[in-house]
Amino acid sequence: GDSVTQMEGPVTLSEEAFLTINCTYTATGYPSLFWYVQYPGEGLQLLLKATKADDKGSNKGFEATYRKETTSFHLEKGSVQVSDSAVYFCARQETSGSRLTFGEGTQLTVNP
Amino acid sequence: DAGVTQSPTHLIKTRGQQVTLRCSPKSGHDTVSWYQQALGQGPQFIFQYYEEEERQRGNFPDRFSGHQFPNYSSELNVNALLLGDSALYLCASILRGGSNYETQYFGPGTRLLVL
Repeated sequence: GDSVTQMEGPVTLSEEAFLTINCTYTATGYPSLFWYVQYPGEGLQLLLKATKADDKGSNKGFEATYRKETTSFHLEKGSVQVSDSAVYFCARQETSGSRLTFGEGTQLTVNP
Repeated sequence: DAGVTQSPTHLIKTRGQQVTLRCSPKSGHDTVSWYQQALGQGPQFIFQYYEEEERQRGNFPDRFSGHQFPNYSSELNVNALLLGDSALYLCASILRGGSNYETQYFGPGTRLLVL
């Protein structure tokens, strides 16, 4: 079935470090791909998305490129801030509006 | 522009009881999905409602049921609560057929604790 695999956490970085969180998905169909972020005690916020191969989603300095050949959608940021500390979820969606399938989440902690 | 709202924010129940959680979708949205997020895990899809009918369902037992009202708001009901039902329950809404149809907007969630 559909699945999403994220790199195991937690990830701890110093401020201004480079961030990569790996995400791979099952290759059935042509899913849309998403990164959501969850701050402590809150619901999920959409960070970025890509709906077809080679699309790059970007927001707030975060980027991810839809790579069909490697079935990946890795999240990157060039210089993280303390305020980026949160849990990040990669997700796929088979067709528009249908269910989201999430990865297990990656806890990011950024120290000053 | 009101976002997705959920009530209550927190709830404590005992095993065997029944619970009802409520969700109001983002203004203008007509489709509501429910997810269960256990501690330390990613959200799991429960079901989706559109035009007052259940359209998709995840791998959850019949103890989990829902309803959608004519104003598009929705309820999630869980009967015969188990300890394992303790989780954050998230509601998400979309406008079916809208220009941003693939994006689901999430509410803050209801945290349920079953003792």
